[in-house]
Order: sequence, then C-alpha cells, then structure tokens
Amino acid sequence: AQKVTQAQTEISVVEKEDVTLDCVYETRDTTYYLFWYKQPPSGELVFLIRRNSFDEQNEISGRYSWNFQKSTSSFNFTITASQVVDSAVYFCALSEVGDSSYKLIFGSGTRLLVRP
Amino acid sequence: EAQVTQNPRYLITVTGKKLTVTCSQNMNHEYMSWYRQDPGLGLRQIYYSMNVEVTDKGDVPEGYKVSRKEKRNFPLILESPSPNQTSLYFCASSRTGYGYTFGSGTRLTVV
Repeated sequence: AQKVTQAQTEISVVEKEDVTLDCVYETRDTTYYLFWYKQPPSGELVFLIRRNSFDEQNEISGRYSWNFQKSTSSFNFTITASQVVDSAVYFCALSEVGDSSYKLIFGSGTRLLVRP
Repeated sequence: EAQVTQNPRYLITVTGKKLTVTCSQNMNHEYMSWYRQDPGLGLRQIYYSMNVEVTDKGDVPEGYKVSRKEKRNFPLILESPSPNQTSLYFCASSRTGYGYTFGSGTRLTVV
C-alpha cells in the first residue's frame, strides 16, 4: 500500500542553521511523483517541488534543496541558512501514476520553527 | 495571476443547513480535487474530477456532493452538514493530475 512517513513531528532551529526534513515513502508503482508543500501559519498550501520517479537528480532552488534516493525510498528536503519566514508545516506527498483518482497521499507533516 | 479561488475563507454554520463552498480556477486545468485536513488524520481526498461532467469519489466522500458543469468551477456541497464535517477544506487543480495548485482553504465549523 502507498504511504508517506515524516517521522519528525516538530523541529526547532535557530535562524541561519541548516535543517533537513525527512520523508520516506512506500509504493508498489514503478512510476510515481513526489512533492513537497509548505503550509505557513496563514493556512494555505504552497507547492514547492515535484519530482518523478525516473529523475533522481538532486535539485537546488535558492536556499532549498532536495535529495531523492530511490534505493532508500527517501525524498529529503534541506533548508540552508534558515530564516524565520521558513517557519511552517512542511508536507511530503506521493502520487502514483497507476492511481486513477490522481490523489496526493500526504505525510503527516513536519512543523518547523525557526527562532530568531 | 494563476490561482485557485475558494469562498468563503471562514464559515460557521448550524447542523443540517445546506451549504456550498465555491472553487474556481483560472488556469484551464482539467483536473480538480477537494481535500479536507484534520488534526491527526492529515489531508484526505473527498472528491475529484478529471473533466467537465466527470467526477468520482475520493477516500472520504460521505456527506458531500460535487458538480463540474464548467471547467473552471468545482463547488463542494454539504446537503446536511454535521459537526464531524468541521474541518479545513482545500480545493485544488492540476493540468496533468500530478501536482496540484491549492486554494487558500475554507475553515468550516458546524455547530
């Protein structure tokens, strides 16, 4: 069965520290997509990245970087030099190409608190 | 600006009083979906739509209805709301079905 696990419920760091959010997924599909979304205190869900199962290249976007490792079924997210504005709940999600509902399976989220 | 617009943002209603949460997208996306977010249960899909007049149940459809008469609109209807439908609701749309743009959310309280 498909599942996304974010074992870190809450992380607290001081501004400018680097922080890595872990995501482990389970799927039987060979073709799937992985995502990260950010939910700031205002409540909306903001798309950060999409990765397909055939592309294991790491990606960097400014202070954000993602490490996709199929061998360990992980898709970890690192924020470099964290800022207070990064404080939010971050969700990892999975979408299987074989699923006709096109649904996103979300992890339980990691709450990140960046202290000044 | 490309966006998914939900209304209202906040709603308090009473048990049994029919309500509709509207959702509109301006990106000409074919795929649209509704999710609810609850503490401890996470985000779960309620209904989805692959195109006009094509809708189907997600994981938690009981107590909800949807319609897709036009491509841009995908309203969520609660015919007889109950307190267990108190939740944060999100509408989302996608061009491909993989990777969604979400609306700002509707926080519904049923008393």
